[in-house]
Parts: sequence; C-alpha cells; structure tokens
Amino acid sequence: NAGVTQTPKFRVLKTGQSMTLLCAQDMNHEYMYWYRQDPGMGLRLIHYSVGEGTTAKGEVPDGYNVSRLKKQNFLLGLESAAPSQTSVYFCASSYYLRDRGYNSKNIQYFGAGTRLSVL
Amino acid sequence: KNQVEQSPQSLIILEGKNCTLQCNYTVSPFSNLRWYKQDTGRGPVSLTIMTFSENTKSNGRYTATLDADTKQSSLHITASQLSDSASYICVVTSNSNSGYALNFGKGTSLLVTP
Repeated sequence: NAGVTQTPKFRVLKTGQSMTLLCAQDMNHEYMYWYRQDPGMGLRLIHYSVGEGTTAKGEVPDGYNVSRLKKQNFLLGLESAAPSQTSVYFCASSYYLRDRGYNSKNIQYFGAGTRLSVL
Repeated sequence: KNQVEQSPQSLIILEGKNCTLQCNYTVSPFSNLRWYKQDTGRGPVSLTIMTFSENTKSNGRYTATLDADTKQSSLHITASQLSDSASYICVVTSNSNSGYALNFGKGTSLLVTP
C-alpha cells in the first residue's frame, strides 16, 4: 500500500513549455485534489475531483487543467508554463470530506509533493 | 469571505516544554476542523478532525480543542520533542449547497530546540 504517489518529484521548465504531473493513489479513494503551496500563502486548492470522470475548479484553477480518467489517477496539466507557476504541488486523496467524525474515511492523505520551477 | 487565521506565525520552544497554537476562523457553514502537521519537504499529515459537537480531540501528545461558538480552535503540544519541529496547518471545511470546501490557514512554523 503506497498511499499517494506523485511523479515527478522535481522539474524545471522554461516559460511556455507544457508538462503533466501525475498523482496515483491505491486506497480506492473517491476524492482527489491538487494543491499548490507557496511561501506565505499556505496551501491553495487548484482543482479537485469527487469521482472518476469528474473534475471541478478550486481556488486557483487558471493556467491548469486536470483529468480523472481512472479512479486511482489524477493528472494536473500545465499547457504553457509561466514563472508564476513556480511552486510546490501537492496531491491528496480521501474517501469523503463530510463531518462523520474522525475515521479513516474522512482523512486526506497527501503525496510528498512536486517541486516545479519555471524559468 | 471564509477565512482561517493562525497564530503565532512562528514559534521557538525548548525541548520538553508545552506550547499552544491558535486557529480562528470565519468559515460558514461549518462542517469540521482539521489540524495537519507538515514536516519540511513533505506533504501534510492529518493529526485530528473535529466536528461541531466535539470540544476536544487527542492524538498522543497533541490535543486539539474547538469552541464552535467563538469559532476558535487550539492545538496543544505536550512535552515537545525535536521531531515536533514542523508547520502546523489548521483547515476548516465548509458545507454549502455548492458542495464541500476546504479553507486552509497559512500555518504556524514550530521549531523545537535542544
């Protein structure tokens, strides 16, 4: 049981290049999320998915696209990278978000992060 | 606007001492409140989750409290250890007609020194 795995761990892009970040979870979670974390800003939700084939915008979706073709994978794409997208990206997954108290189904599990630099 | 404010921004304590981190929120409607620990270079790890009816929740040396009336939460760390050095993030989940939303605080950076 690997949990949430993100690839790659590091990447350097030139402005205008495209790339895809892969998130994979082996916990059969329904919900998956992509966040970015910047100094002094905390975690901000980019896009999320409540199930296979569904995606929704989060707080900062511009410049990113996502796809959830398989339940276990959540892809984050940058079509034309900009220096403002230099950040650490975290993927997370959970069964639910609902207030059912503390149980394993309500916890978000995070990946180790992808550090992206756009020059 | 839903907001989650954490204080202090950073904190340095001696190993073995206790400390308390604060989280004030204006999120509505409230669903639950979570505390995460994030080690440097790692993803956040869940410490506690509390719903509206829960006043306190413990996880080892970590004890979280929630006052839903004043919209305040605290995370108390007892007998701190060097491994407690991390960023602690408060997250408040809201539940509205448009769905669930996670509202993140910016975190408190804790350094435990020998």
